[in-house]
Parts: sequence; C-alpha cells; structure tokens
Amino acid sequence: DAGVTQSPTHLIKTRGQQVTLRCSPKSGHDTVSWYQQALGQGPQFIFQYYEEEERQRGNFPDRFSGHQFPNYSSELNVNALLLGDSALYLCASSWGQDRGPQYFGPGTRLLVL
Amino acid sequence: AQSVSQHNHHVILSEAASLELGCNYSYGGTVNLFWYVQYPGQHLQLLLKYFSGDPLVKGIKGFEAEFIKSKFSFNLRKPSVQWSDTAEYFCAVNGFSGGYNKLIFGAGTRLAVHP
Repeated sequence: DAGVTQSPTHLIKTRGQQVTLRCSPKSGHDTVSWYQQALGQGPQFIFQYYEEEERQRGNFPDRFSGHQFPNYSSELNVNALLLGDSALYLCASSWGQDRGPQYFGPGTRLLVL
Repeated sequence: AQSVSQHNHHVILSEAASLELGCNYSYGGTVNLFWYVQYPGQHLQLLLKYFSGDPLVKGIKGFEAEFIKSKFSFNLRKPSVQWSDTAEYFCAVNGFSGGYNKLIFGAGTRLAVHP
C-alpha cells in the first residue's frame, strides 16, 4: 500500500521564479492538503483540495495556488517566489472531508535564493 | 486566535526516564486531537489520535495521551523512553470553526534521549 508521495524532494529557485510541487495521495484517499513548514516551526495549513476544488484556505497569499486532478493527485504552485518561501512543503491526504487523520508525505524542501 | 501551544521546545532525557509533553489548544468547541512524530530524516507519522470516548488514548510504541477538556489539554506521555524515541513531536488539532480537517499544529517539541 503506497503512502503519500511527493516530488521533487529538493528544489532550488531564485526570487521571482515560479515553482510547481506534486503530490500523490495514499491509496484510497481523495482529499489532499498542503502545509508549509518553516525551519523550527510546526506545519502551517495552506489549502485543501477535494473533488478537484479548493475547499479551504489558510492565511497564504494568492501567489500560492493549487490543482487537483481526477486521479486525486495534486499540485502546489507558487508564483513570484520570495526568500521567505523557503521551507519544507508537506502534502497530506485523507478520506473525504470528515475529521479523520491525515497522512503526510516526505515533503519537498524548497530553497529560494 | 485559534492556536496550539506546546510548552517545551527542547527536552533532554536519559533512557528509561518518563516523558510528558504538554499541549494546550484554544477553542471551546468539539475538536479532534492528534500527536504526530517526526524521526530524524523521516516524514511526519501519526502517533495517536482522539476523536471521542475514553479520554485516555493509546498509540504506537507505548505512547499514550490524555484529553482533559476542562483544561483544553492533550498531553503526551510515555513511562520509559528509549534512545529510538529521539524525534520531534507535534501536537495538532482540527475541528475549529469552519475548519473541517484543517490541522492546526503546535511549534513542536524536540526530544533527545541519551543512552
């Protein structure tokens, strides 16, 4: 049973560039959430996708956008990168929109220079 | 503002010592509570969860947590830690108003267990 997978594992970008991160949910899961984890902090909720629509959003600017595909996989896009966007980006999957536990992937570490 | 507080940022213990990590949240409604663990070089893993019922929940690897509603707390405990418990521990809550399945995390507690 494959868990949550994310790609790439590491990424280096420069300020102003755009980046796309990818996530495949755990088998049987249909909901994908994205979190940003800055160094020394807990993960912060970015947004959640269910049925190919953004259902909830955290306190992140519109530079952060996403997409969910019919196979439930998801992408996180960040435009106009800032130095402060450097962080570990975590994808989590769950079933439906109930309050069940979320299962996390290994993350993509993004460094913005 | 809705938040989760973990009181200890760094904890250092010797093997066989008892562990208690504090977690408090600020919300008066119905919540689900979780502890996640992140071992060095690994991804976040679910340690245990509380949805309803018995406020004392047992998780993997001998961990347990107690939900005390009146204190808005969900402290993590283990009677005797091992070197392999060295990791970062995160308390998380969902169920905030309008926030179905939106996890709010604490800042984490980094535990180091010395042999």
